[in-house]
Amino acid sequence: NAGVTQTPKFRILKIGQSMTLQCTQDMNHNYMYWYRQDPGMGLKLIYYSVGAGITDKGEVPNGYNVSRSTTEDFPLRLELAAPSQTSVYFCASSYFQLGTNTEAFFGQGTRLTVV
Amino acid sequence: KNEVEQSPQNLTAQEGEFITINCSYSVGISALHWLQQHPGGGIVSLFMLSSGKKKHGRLIATINIQEKHSSLHITASHPRDSAVYICAVRSGQFYFGTGTSLTVIP
Repeated sequence: NAGVTQTPKFRILKIGQSMTLQCTQDMNHNYMYWYRQDPGMGLKLIYYSVGAGITDKGEVPNGYNVSRSTTEDFPLRLELAAPSQTSVYFCASSYFQLGTNTEAFFGQGTRLTVV
Repeated sequence: KNEVEQSPQNLTAQEGEFITINCSYSVGISALHWLQQHPGGGIVSLFMLSSGKKKHGRLIATINIQEKHSSLHITASHPRDSAVYICAVRSGQFYFGTGTSLTVIP
């Protein structure tokens, strides 16, 4: 098992550009999540998915979009990059809902800088 | 104010020392996770607990639901334990602490 794979690891974007952060898991997990981590702050949930075809907003969804066409993939889309989106992004997955008796698996993170 | 508070924010220890990281939370929870974030950025789940105590190797996690407090202990610390340790709780949604940065010096 590769676990949770995120790409790219690093990216610099200009204001107004768009990009997609890719996330793939090979553990057949139902639940997938996107978080952002800002300096001095805890991880914040952007979007999550409870299964293929189902997505929902988290705490900080503005400026982002997601899709879940397959169980394995959960890409995060930034349409018009803004400096406030400079952050480290983590994708995670779990078989059951986080906070129940389930292990959480995280990707390696994507460090995004918007200039 | 964060729903999850960790202390200390930064911790430096000599190799072999016993280390304690604390987590206090202000919401009712169904479970608490301890996560380890490596210097390279990757995050690994260490423990998920809802009561009592769990042990894995040199790591021990305890939780006191009444006091809304959890501790992560590392016995016989080693430089490879250097990482950021994050406490996270589930209360409806998931709340993360800001992490404790641990450096273990040889």
